Amino acid sequence: QKEVEQDPGPLSVPEGAIVSLNCTYSNSAFQYFMWYRQYSRKGPELLMYTYSSGNKEDGRFTAQVDKSSKYISLFIRDSQPSDSATYLCAMKKGNNRLAFGKGNQVVVIP
Amino acid sequence: GAGVSQSPSNKVTEKGKDVELRCDPISGHTALYWYRQSLGQGLEFLIYFQGNSAPDKSGLPSDRFSAERTGGSVSTLTIQRTQQEDSAVYLCASSLTGLAGGPNEQYFGPGTRLTVT
Repeated sequence: QKEVEQDPGPLSVPEGAIVSLNCTYSNSAFQYFMWYRQYSRKGPELLMYTYSSGNKEDGRFTAQVDKSSKYISLFIRDSQPSDSATYLCAMKKGNNRLAFGKGNQVVVIP
Repeated sequence: GAGVSQSPSNKVTEKGKDVELRCDPISGHTALYWYRQSLGQGLEFLIYFQGNSAPDKSGLPSDRFSAERTGGSVSTLTIQRTQQEDSAVYLCASSLTGLAGGPNEQYFGPGTRLTVT
Protein backbone atom coordinates (compact mmCIF):
# COMPACT_ATOMS: atom_id res chain seq x y z
CA GLN A 1 0.00 0.00 0.00
CA LYS A 2 1.36 3.42 -0.95
CA GLU A 3 1.69 5.95 1.86
CA VAL A 4 -0.53 8.43 0.00
CA GLU A 5 -3.44 7.47 -2.20
CA GLN A 6 -5.02 9.88 -4.65
CA ASP A 7 -7.41 8.59 -7.27
CA PRO A 8 -5.74 9.92 -10.44
CA GLY A 9 -8.92 10.07 -12.47
CA PRO A 10 -9.40 13.29 -14.50
CA LEU A 11 -12.14 15.67 -13.46
CA SER A 12 -14.08 17.99 -15.78
CA VAL A 13 -16.37 20.64 -14.34
CA PRO A 14 -18.22 23.64 -15.78
CA GLU A 15 -16.93 27.10 -14.91
CA GLY A 16 -18.28 28.27 -11.56
CA ALA A 17 -18.69 24.78 -10.11
CA ILE A 18 -17.05 23.56 -6.92
CA VAL A 19 -14.10 21.23 -7.43
CA SER A 20 -13.58 18.62 -4.74
CA LEU A 21 -10.35 16.63 -4.50
CA ASN A 22 -9.16 14.25 -1.82
CA CYS A 23 -6.37 12.00 -0.66
CA THR A 24 -6.06 9.30 1.95
CA TYR A 25 -2.93 8.27 3.76
CA SER A 26 -1.75 5.40 5.89
CA ASN A 27 1.08 6.84 7.98
CA SER A 28 -0.07 8.63 11.13
CA ALA A 29 3.40 10.22 11.42
CA PHE A 30 2.56 12.75 8.71
CA GLN A 31 2.47 16.24 10.21
CA TYR A 32 2.10 18.66 7.30
CA PHE A 33 -0.43 18.30 4.53
CA MET A 34 0.05 20.21 1.30
CA TRP A 35 -1.63 20.81 -1.99
CA TYR A 36 0.39 21.59 -5.07
CA ARG A 37 -0.88 22.79 -8.44
CA GLN A 38 0.99 21.83 -11.58
CA TYR A 39 0.33 23.35 -14.97
CA SER A 40 1.33 21.42 -18.06
CA ARG A 41 5.09 21.32 -18.61
CA LYS A 42 5.74 23.26 -15.40
CA GLY A 43 6.94 22.33 -11.95
CA PRO A 44 4.47 22.00 -9.08
CA GLU A 45 3.71 25.15 -7.09
CA LEU A 46 2.56 25.12 -3.48
CA LEU A 47 -1.05 26.22 -3.06
CA MET A 48 -1.43 25.83 0.66
CA TYR A 49 -0.50 23.65 3.60
CA THR A 50 -2.10 22.71 6.88
CA TYR A 51 -0.68 21.30 10.07
CA SER A 52 -3.59 20.14 12.14
CA SER A 53 -7.06 18.78 11.62
CA GLY A 54 -9.63 21.31 10.51
CA ASN A 55 -10.14 23.74 7.67
CA LYS A 56 -7.89 26.36 6.18
CA GLU A 57 -9.15 28.89 3.69
CA ASP A 58 -7.24 30.97 1.16
CA GLY A 59 -9.45 32.86 -1.24
CA ARG A 60 -11.41 30.38 -3.33
CA PHE A 61 -9.41 27.44 -1.94
CA THR A 62 -10.21 25.46 1.21
CA ALA A 63 -8.03 22.67 2.55
CA GLN A 64 -9.49 20.22 5.01
CA VAL A 65 -7.67 17.66 7.13
CA ASP A 66 -9.23 14.87 9.16
CA LYS A 67 -6.42 13.11 10.97
CA SER A 68 -8.71 10.61 12.65
CA SER A 69 -9.81 9.33 9.24
CA LYS A 70 -6.43 10.00 7.57
CA TYR A 71 -8.23 11.96 4.88
CA ILE A 72 -7.52 15.36 3.33
CA SER A 73 -9.50 17.40 0.86
CA LEU A 74 -9.14 20.46 -1.32
CA PHE A 75 -12.15 22.46 -2.45
CA ILE A 76 -12.05 25.10 -5.17
CA ARG A 77 -15.06 27.41 -5.20
CA ASP A 78 -16.25 29.33 -8.25
CA SER A 79 -13.83 27.42 -10.45
CA GLN A 80 -12.23 29.28 -13.35
CA PRO A 81 -10.68 28.00 -16.58
CA SER A 82 -7.32 29.17 -15.16
CA ASP A 83 -7.76 26.53 -12.43
CA SER A 84 -7.32 23.82 -15.07
CA ALA A 85 -4.22 21.97 -13.92
CA THR A 86 -3.09 18.85 -12.10
CA TYR A 87 -3.50 18.99 -8.33
CA LEU A 88 -1.19 16.93 -6.17
CA CYS A 89 -1.52 16.26 -2.49
CA ALA A 90 1.71 15.89 -0.53
CA MET A 91 2.54 15.03 3.03
CA LYS A 92 5.58 15.44 5.23
CA LYS A 93 6.84 13.68 8.32
CA GLY A 94 9.60 14.94 10.59
CA ASN A 95 12.19 14.51 7.89
CA ASN A 96 11.93 16.54 4.76
CA ARG A 97 10.94 14.19 2.03
CA LEU A 98 7.48 14.79 0.67
CA ALA A 99 5.24 11.84 -0.14
CA PHE A 100 3.00 12.74 -3.08
CA GLY A 101 -0.27 11.43 -4.40
CA LYS A 102 -0.49 10.67 -8.11
CA GLY A 103 -2.39 13.87 -8.87
CA ASN A 104 -5.79 14.75 -10.33
CA GLN A 105 -6.07 16.48 -13.68
CA VAL A 106 -8.80 19.10 -13.43
CA VAL A 107 -10.38 20.72 -16.47
CA VAL A 108 -12.70 23.69 -15.98
CA ILE A 109 -14.87 24.14 -19.04
CA PRO A 110 -15.84 27.75 -19.89
CA GLY B 1 16.31 34.70 -11.49
CA ALA B 2 14.11 34.35 -8.45
CA GLY B 3 13.09 30.74 -9.00
CA VAL B 4 14.67 27.31 -9.24
CA SER B 5 16.17 26.72 -12.66
CA GLN B 6 16.99 23.43 -14.32
CA SER B 7 18.88 22.50 -17.45
CA PRO B 8 18.47 21.15 -19.98
CA SER B 9 14.70 21.43 -20.27
CA ASN B 10 14.64 18.40 -22.57
CA LYS B 11 17.15 15.63 -23.07
CA VAL B 12 16.95 12.73 -25.50
CA THR B 13 19.62 10.09 -25.10
CA GLU B 14 20.34 6.60 -26.31
CA LYS B 15 20.07 3.65 -24.01
CA GLY B 16 23.37 3.00 -22.28
CA LYS B 17 24.63 6.59 -22.35
CA ASP B 18 25.25 8.70 -19.26
CA VAL B 19 23.35 11.94 -18.65
CA GLU B 20 23.82 14.89 -16.31
CA LEU B 21 20.97 17.08 -15.17
CA ARG B 22 21.61 20.41 -13.49
CA CYS B 23 19.69 22.34 -10.84
CA ASP B 24 20.24 25.91 -9.64
CA PRO B 25 18.28 26.44 -6.41
CA ILE B 26 16.90 29.71 -5.12
CA SER B 27 19.71 31.81 -3.69
CA GLY B 28 19.99 31.37 0.07
CA HIS B 29 18.07 28.09 0.18
CA THR B 30 20.03 25.53 2.14
CA ALA B 31 17.98 22.46 1.25
CA LEU B 32 17.76 20.90 -2.22
CA TYR B 33 15.69 17.94 -3.38
CA TRP B 34 15.45 15.80 -6.49
CA TYR B 35 12.23 14.05 -7.52
CA ARG B 36 11.22 11.99 -10.51
CA GLN B 37 7.78 12.24 -12.10
CA SER B 38 6.71 9.38 -14.34
CA LEU B 39 3.43 9.00 -16.17
CA GLY B 40 0.96 7.38 -13.84
CA GLN B 41 3.41 7.20 -10.95
CA GLY B 42 3.28 10.65 -9.42
CA LEU B 43 6.32 12.31 -7.89
CA GLU B 44 8.93 10.02 -6.42
CA PHE B 45 11.57 11.30 -3.98
CA LEU B 46 15.15 10.62 -5.06
CA ILE B 47 17.65 12.50 -2.88
CA TYR B 48 17.86 15.42 -0.45
CA PHE B 49 20.74 17.74 0.52
CA GLN B 50 20.74 19.91 3.63
CA GLY B 51 23.66 22.29 4.06
CA ASN B 52 26.89 20.39 4.66
CA SER B 53 25.19 17.29 6.05
CA ALA B 54 25.45 13.94 4.34
CA PRO B 55 22.68 13.69 1.73
CA ASP B 56 19.65 11.44 2.19
CA LYS B 57 20.05 9.10 -0.78
CA SER B 58 17.37 6.68 0.30
CA GLY B 59 15.15 7.34 -2.73
CA LEU B 60 17.70 6.64 -5.44
CA PRO B 61 16.34 3.65 -7.41
CA SER B 62 19.69 2.07 -8.29
CA ASP B 63 23.43 2.64 -8.09
CA ARG B 64 23.29 4.06 -11.61
CA PHE B 65 21.89 7.23 -10.05
CA SER B 66 24.05 9.69 -8.14
CA ALA B 67 23.92 13.36 -7.26
CA GLU B 68 26.22 15.95 -5.86
CA ARG B 69 25.87 19.48 -4.68
CA THR B 70 28.86 21.74 -5.04
CA GLY B 71 29.46 24.70 -2.75
CA GLY B 72 26.08 24.28 -1.14
CA SER B 73 24.37 25.60 -4.25
CA VAL B 74 24.22 24.00 -7.71
CA SER B 75 23.40 20.30 -7.90
CA THR B 76 23.94 17.73 -10.61
CA LEU B 77 22.00 14.48 -10.93
CA THR B 78 23.87 11.86 -12.95
CA ILE B 79 22.32 8.76 -14.45
CA GLN B 80 24.80 6.24 -15.78
CA ARG B 81 24.05 3.63 -18.45
CA THR B 82 20.54 4.98 -18.96
CA GLN B 83 17.65 2.57 -19.43
CA GLN B 84 14.28 3.18 -21.08
CA GLU B 85 12.57 3.02 -17.70
CA ASP B 86 14.59 6.09 -16.68
CA SER B 87 12.45 8.18 -19.05
CA ALA B 88 10.63 10.69 -16.86
CA VAL B 89 10.58 14.32 -15.79
CA TYR B 90 13.25 15.03 -13.21
CA LEU B 91 12.27 17.83 -10.86
CA CYS B 92 14.46 19.77 -8.50
CA ALA B 93 13.17 21.74 -5.53
CA SER B 94 14.74 23.90 -2.88
CA SER B 95 13.61 25.20 0.50
CA LEU B 96 14.94 27.88 2.79
CA THR B 97 15.83 25.29 5.38
CA GLY B 98 15.67 21.55 5.57
CA LEU B 99 15.55 21.36 9.33
CA ALA B 100 12.98 18.97 10.69
CA GLY B 101 9.89 20.29 12.42
CA GLY B 102 8.55 22.85 9.98
CA PRO B 103 6.67 22.77 6.68
CA ASN B 104 9.86 23.72 4.81
CA GLU B 105 7.96 24.86 1.75
CA GLN B 106 9.59 23.44 -1.32
CA TYR B 107 9.80 25.47 -4.51
CA PHE B 108 10.09 23.46 -7.68
CA GLY B 109 11.90 24.09 -10.93
CA PRO B 110 10.32 23.40 -14.32
CA GLY B 111 11.98 20.00 -14.62
CA THR B 112 14.10 18.19 -17.19
CA ARG B 113 12.18 15.86 -19.49
CA LEU B 114 14.43 12.86 -20.13
CA THR B 115 13.69 10.46 -22.96
CA VAL B 116 15.80 7.34 -23.34
CA THR B 117 15.48 5.73 -26.77
